[in-house]
Amino acid sequence: DAKTTQPTSMDCAEGRAANLPCNHSTISGNEYVYWYRQIHSQGPQYIIHGLKNNETNEMASLIITEDRKSSTLILPHATLRDTAVYYCIVRGVNTGTASKLTFGTGTRLQVTL
Amino acid sequence: KAGVTQTPRYLIKTRGQQVTLSCSPISGHRSVSWYQQTPGQGLQFLFEYFSETQRNKGNFPGRFSGRQFSNSRSEMNVSTLELGDSALYLCASSLPSGGAGELFFGEGSRLTVL
Repeated sequence: DAKTTQPTSMDCAEGRAANLPCNHSTISGNEYVYWYRQIHSQGPQYIIHGLKNNETNEMASLIITEDRKSSTLILPHATLRDTAVYYCIVRGVNTGTASKLTFGTGTRLQVTL
Repeated sequence: KAGVTQTPRYLIKTRGQQVTLSCSPISGHRSVSWYQQTPGQGLQFLFEYFSETQRNKGNFPGRFSGRQFSNSRSEMNVSTLELGDSALYLCASSLPSGGAGELFFGEGSRLTVL
């Protein structure tokens, strides 16, 4: 699986949009971009995933660049409960190794009042 | 529907002992994978089971083993515990291996080795 690069930490004011970048310049054609988050001492929580089109769900939006070498997770109105470590991973599916995830160090998002 | 359930949530062992951790996947999920999370190494893949067979394995020594039962519940075992085995052990379940579905993680079992 391709490696990802994320900033170590970010701050965001409550109510503002949080934009979390991720670089995955070595992503291959059959790899999806997945985002998970982990609140302290809990298991990672799935947020969103995409292949090449932008995606949106009730939690967030995912913007993937046209060359697929980077993406941005957008939390439109961050709340204090969004404070967590956010992981961007690339995952090859339909390869028999879909569960063999490689998590990087992630971005620690701190949402403040 | 119920999420992924891991037991026990916390446990303390001493060096040389062995430990067994349990994971009950979401109903209908047949793939179960295990991960070790430590502050220094981050989250690392241990192994994946599907239909009672180990399908993938990470780079961990043979002291780490697992199995899956016919009801998809899974256990992992660590023998001859070392201090470095102290970690949060996470289990995740998903629909059959492959496909662009998400993994659902449990809350983890936090193991402390003294």
